[in-house]
Amino acid sequence: KQEVTQIPAALSVPEGENLVLNCSFTDSAIYNLQWFRQDPGKGLTSLLLIQSSQREQTSGRLNASLDKSSGRSTLYIAASQPGDSATYLCAVSGNAGNMLTFGGGTRLMVKP
Amino acid sequence: AAGVIQSPRHLIKEKRETATLKCYPIPRHDTVYWYQQGPGQDPQFLISFYEKMQSDKGSIPDRFSAQQFSDYHSELNMSSLELGDSALYFCASSFHPFSSGGAGETQYFGPGTRLLVL
Repeated sequence: KQEVTQIPAALSVPEGENLVLNCSFTDSAIYNLQWFRQDPGKGLTSLLLIQSSQREQTSGRLNASLDKSSGRSTLYIAASQPGDSATYLCAVSGNAGNMLTFGGGTRLMVKP
Repeated sequence: AAGVIQSPRHLIKEKRETATLKCYPIPRHDTVYWYQQGPGQDPQFLISFYEKMQSDKGSIPDRFSAQQFSDYHSELNMSSLELGDSALYFCASSFHPFSSGGAGETQYFGPGTRLLVL
């Protein structure tokens, strides 16, 4: 059974810092990996999707990398802003059906 | 751009009652997924549909059933509600990997239905 772990569980940084969120998964036979953002009590906003054949994806200040063989992904956030404060979730799809298994999330606080 | 629509947004029910949650996917998306997120927990996959047929099944209780209709909207029917069913229920939609043609299979989530069982 696929298990997804995110470290750290919580992170507090001052505005302007670059930061890295980590995601690991136990079964490397994934179809794709997706990073989401969730604000308290709200829905999930898709940030980036990386196919299993890809190494990284970039969107604005966000860069996600994938090392499938070692079961790891990182989400890099450049020049963090208070508006980036949210919970960041990574999720992997293990087959072509695309059902997602989520990690526990990293709760990010960016202080002004 | 059109997003995933869920209704109702909030629902309060008594134990042993039934509830029906509705999901309207992004136009042209052929796959719908249901997830349950309990308080302080990460989302758990319940069930998915591709072209109106059940595609995958996760940790969906036998008291729950779901279907996808000809217009691709989906409904999650929940019977004999229990206190532990109180959660945020998300619907997501995407192109299926079999049909995305390179468009990608990013899952887009709706705002969720918050169900409270008293």
